[in-house]
Amino acid sequence: GAVVSQHPSRVICKSGTSVKIECRSLDFQATTMFWYRQFPKQSLMLMATSNEGSKATYEQGVEKDKFLINHASLTLSTLTVTSAHPEDSSFYICSAPRTSGGNTGELFFGEGSRLTVL
Amino acid sequence: AQSVAQPEDQVNVAEGNPLTVKCTYSVSGNPYLFWYVQYPNRGLQFLLKYITGDNLVKGSYGFEAEFNKSQTSFHLKKPSALVSDSALYFCAVRALNSGYSTLTFGKGTMLLVSP
Repeated sequence: GAVVSQHPSRVICKSGTSVKIECRSLDFQATTMFWYRQFPKQSLMLMATSNEGSKATYEQGVEKDKFLINHASLTLSTLTVTSAHPEDSSFYICSAPRTSGGNTGELFFGEGSRLTVL
Repeated sequence: AQSVAQPEDQVNVAEGNPLTVKCTYSVSGNPYLFWYVQYPNRGLQFLLKYITGDNLVKGSYGFEAEFNKSQTSFHLKKPSALVSDSALYFCAVRALNSGYSTLTFGKGTMLLVSP
């Protein structure tokens, strides 16, 4: 079964509203989670690294005030798209590594969230 | 900078025939290589990985991949394709001594298996 759960799977919102996407690790603790964005027929682009108990690390070109990340617990990270606009419409995917004493553990992905901004 | 190349946008194969999805990579140091599969509007599912050891890695759903250090390749293979294998496949690499934030994905190869 899924070890990383992402919710909602689909969301449609009006321009100017904010949308929150949740990413949960189901049977392991994740001090780090990753948020990706995927455009149609393109690869995954890392947006930010979510760190439990501290600020997220954003990749170059990603607006941190636009994409708010909160990693309040060892099993939950949230991505909030603030004041969404049509150009924010995309497929957002989270992932979490399940490590056991090293950095070679498996990286598990959520099912993704399709955001459509009207 | 590290990179992953998947030279084929699409691979077409008939059911029952062998399939190969190509991947070459560039990374500083020892590579940590992955293959993932993505079905429409879904997240990525792990197929297999290579860290060290045997160059032929066996993974989920009958897939395997061969690590070739001299050619810096990690091609995905399956002896007999199924229609249900039709999906988007991603190769990914990071340096073994780096973190997952450095994981780099290829652009993906669409595999279409015809009945």
